[in-house]
Amino acid sequence: QQPVQSPQAVILREGEDAVINCSSSKALYSVHWYRQKHGEAPVFLMILLKGGEQKGHEKISASFNEKKQQSSLYLTASQLSYSGTYFCGTEIVGAAGNKLTFGGGTRVLVKP
Amino acid sequence: SAVISQKPSRDICQRGTSLTIQCQVDSQVTMMFWYRQQPGQSLTLIATANQGSEATYESGFVIDKFPISRPNLTFSTLTVSNMSPEDSSIYLCSVRTSGRPTDTQYFGPGTRLTVL
Repeated sequence: QQPVQSPQAVILREGEDAVINCSSSKALYSVHWYRQKHGEAPVFLMILLKGGEQKGHEKISASFNEKKQQSSLYLTASQLSYSGTYFCGTEIVGAAGNKLTFGGGTRVLVKP
Repeated sequence: SAVISQKPSRDICQRGTSLTIQCQVDSQVTMMFWYRQQPGQSLTLIATANQGSEATYESGFVIDKFPISRPNLTFSTLTVSNMSPEDSSIYLCSVRTSGRPTDTQYFGPGTRLTVL
């Protein structure tokens, strides 16, 4: 079951903030966040485990709401380098094989 | 972390032919996966490459079309067989490394395949 990401795209000015959401209809064990720039491989950002843990990478942080089966990625004081497509990958509780299922992606464009 | 290399990085192939993509990791990993990413789309899992046994395929993917080998803990191949233009895509090798409290998954640079 593919998680649902929103919004599909966002345009920011440098220094502005944005939130990307990732929702699942299944109970989640973990949520993995990646950023992919055009023509490159997805780059791992962080993992959130069930339990509402919050993590950070640069000025990018994330949270995991176990009750809602939702994770949010926060881009704070965005920089030009934050541009790219962000994907969440979810690991379902009890699913075999440690598989990650990815959302449709959120395209982020940070303008000067 | 893990350093993953893939060969070839890109290829242009004729309809009906086959292409084998290689994935090499710089350390032993427990799990290796193959994903497909069509232009502007998300990452779709093709199969889990199991060391010493047959790969585990996801719904919509079959062994005859995408045979996979994994002879050891650092290497895997994916073959795209009897190709058609619909197989044009980026194919990505991915690995999970053990860690506390959970594993981390990394992606290789991808193989960009164009089928004419």
